[in-house]
Amino acid sequence: AQSVAQPEDQVNVAEGNPLTVKCTYSVSGNPYLFWYVQYPNRGLQFLLKYITGDNLVKGSYGFEAEFNKSQTSFHLKKPSALVSDSALYFCARFSGGYNKLIFGAGTRLAVHP
Amino acid sequence: GAGVSQSPSNKVTEKGKDVELRCDPISGHTALYWYRQSLGQGLEFLIYFQGNSAPDKSGLPSDRFSAERTGGSVSTLTIQRTQQEDSAVYLCASSRNRGDYEQYFGPGTRLTVT
Repeated sequence: AQSVAQPEDQVNVAEGNPLTVKCTYSVSGNPYLFWYVQYPNRGLQFLLKYITGDNLVKGSYGFEAEFNKSQTSFHLKKPSALVSDSALYFCARFSGGYNKLIFGAGTRLAVHP
Repeated sequence: GAGVSQSPSNKVTEKGKDVELRCDPISGHTALYWYRQSLGQGLEFLIYFQGNSAPDKSGLPSDRFSAERTGGSVSTLTIQRTQQEDSAVYLCASSRNRGDYEQYFGPGTRLTVT
C-alpha cells in the first residue's frame, strides 16, 4: 500500500511566486518524513526532514516544509521560486525498521521565467 | 569530501547477460542502500547493508538480483540473466549509521537491456 502520496505529477509556477509541492502520508504513529530533489541526470539530494519537534522545518536552498498531523501532510514550500528550482521532487518516509526510504511517485516542478 | 560514487554511469547490455554495478559509499559510512528508479515503478528499495549485520534483502525483485558488500565499504549489485524490465536507473546511497536519517545518494547507473 502506498504510504506516501504526491497527488500532483507536475506543478507549474512563475518565477518569484510562492510554490507548494504536496505530500500526504498514511502511517500510524510518528512518521519520519523527508524531501529529496533530483536534478536531471543526477542523484537525489537531501532537502529537509521532520523527525520530531517543531512542525515547520527549514532545509536547503530556502525550502521549508510543515508537518501537519491532523491532515497527515508534509507539504514542501518556498516563498519565492527560482527557475533553478525546476526539478523532480520526492517525498519519502522511513520504514518501520528505520532502514529504508519509501518514496512517493515524485512531482515535477517547473518554474517559468 | 567525496560523495557516493557509482560505476559505470551507463550500461547497455543484451537480454540474458549478467551485469555488475558498483557503489563506493562515503568513507566511514556504515549503512549502504540500493534503490531502483524506473518509469513504471518509481523509486523502490532493493537492499540495505549495515556494518557486519546480515543485509535486508526484502526489496530484491527476484533471485536474479544479488548484492554484496566487501570489507564494509564497496558494494556490488549483480543482475543475472538480465531482462528488459530490469532497465532502470540504479541508485546507491549511504549514511553514517543506522540511526542517521540522512541518506546521501550517488549519481546512479543507467541500465538499458536490449
